[in-house]
Amino acid sequence: GAGVSQSPSNKVTEKGKDVELRCDPISGHTALYWYRQSLGQGLEFLIYFQGNSAPDKSGLPSDRFSAERTGGSVSTLTIQRTQQEDSAVYLCASTSTSGGSYEQYFGPGTRLTVT
Amino acid sequence: DAKTTQPTSMDCAEGRAANLPCNHSTISGNEYVYWYRQIHSQGPQYIIHGLKNNETNEMASLIITEDRKSSTLILPHATLRDTAVYYCIVRVSNTDKLIFGTGTRLQVFP
Repeated sequence: GAGVSQSPSNKVTEKGKDVELRCDPISGHTALYWYRQSLGQGLEFLIYFQGNSAPDKSGLPSDRFSAERTGGSVSTLTIQRTQQEDSAVYLCASTSTSGGSYEQYFGPGTRLTVT
Repeated sequence: DAKTTQPTSMDCAEGRAANLPCNHSTISGNEYVYWYRQIHSQGPQYIIHGLKNNETNEMASLIITEDRKSSTLILPHATLRDTAVYYCIVRVSNTDKLIFGTGTRLQVFP
């Protein structure tokens, strides 16, 4: 079946512009995560959605970052007034919390370059 | 949240077993140990997880010490395609959140 998809795969933007990154999770998965990975670094947790619960935003680095998940499915990560330090690969993952495995399935990521 | 400590890098000869250690000395009794790997330019891939018993699947084996303060991921016959960064993660109790560290970069050589 279809895995997690993300779009665009690559995004180049000028400093100060806003960007939107999209994630389509696996159908039926109730939990969705956003991570950021800078070059040569490990993954940095950003935000987590679980069902209808309030999202866990504890990883968002600043108020320029926000995310929403509409209808419990597609999620959009928005970065306002982008800065060069926002350049990274943004990864989305989803998981089914039934069955207790909590295995996260990752998308291919969006490579964001802020010039 | 329990933290994990892994060596920065390891080498392994093709066909040999790769043993990747992880320390998680502050792990709580109800926290699981997860292993993921990330091949260059791809998203992380789930490998295996466990609580206190040793686990085995088609990809790897997970050995957890009796005190649960450390674990070892074993790839029984490493191939060149196993070259990747391997992340040992403790799942935050009562949530689904996984906190990734910097992992171990495993290089399998011919």
